[in-house]
Amino acid sequence: GENVEQHPSTLSVQEGDSAVIKCTYSDSASNYFPWYKQELGKRPQLIIDIRSNVGEKKDQRIAVTLNKTAKHFSLHITETQPEDSAVYFCAASTGYSGGGADGLTFGKGTHLIIQP
Amino acid sequence: SQTIHQWPATLVQPVGSPLSLECTVEGTSNPNLYWYRQAAGRGLQLLFYSVGIGQISSEVPQNLSASRPQDRQFILSSKKLLLSDSGFYLCAWSVRTNTEAFFGQGTRLTVV
Repeated sequence: GENVEQHPSTLSVQEGDSAVIKCTYSDSASNYFPWYKQELGKRPQLIIDIRSNVGEKKDQRIAVTLNKTAKHFSLHITETQPEDSAVYFCAASTGYSGGGADGLTFGKGTHLIIQP
Repeated sequence: SQTIHQWPATLVQPVGSPLSLECTVEGTSNPNLYWYRQAAGRGLQLLFYSVGIGQISSEVPQNLSASRPQDRQFILSSKKLLLSDSGFYLCAWSVRTNTEAFFGQGTRLTVV
């Protein structure tokens, strides 16, 4: 099955600086790569996603890049703000497991800390 | 609009006791439904997913089972809880495969 590795596990940056979180996946058939943000005590929420037919996607201060050949994708947050502090999860999915839909395989998460 | 309800929010159960967590979705039909477990430092682990009533797929062998008795109802169960079953359980739904998953508020289960 799919295996997703996420680094770093903890990332501390100064407010206003950029943050980059990287993930690798193992299944070359994966074609959907979402990123979720989970604030303390709350449910994970989608912040951005990318599909395998696109190399980069941007939404205001957040961008995601995908390298299918190397099987890795990254989340970039620019001009970080205190409210960006949270745990971020990457995930991958092939969308097919022989008998129906499959779920997302998540990385272990990155605790992003924005230092004032 | 669509909403997902998951309960209870917290639960403390003794080892060997049964478990039943319930999740319901409103405002959509025939959703894909998922149960995930979140352990500290281990991310979100997919436990079960369902594409329709009575259709359950398991991702990992474990002490848990899932059922989908109605289109928008998903239940996570165990006959006898183990200490290792402690964790944060999240129900989620999506319109179809490879689209945004919407998570419930989660259940913090502590097995003592």
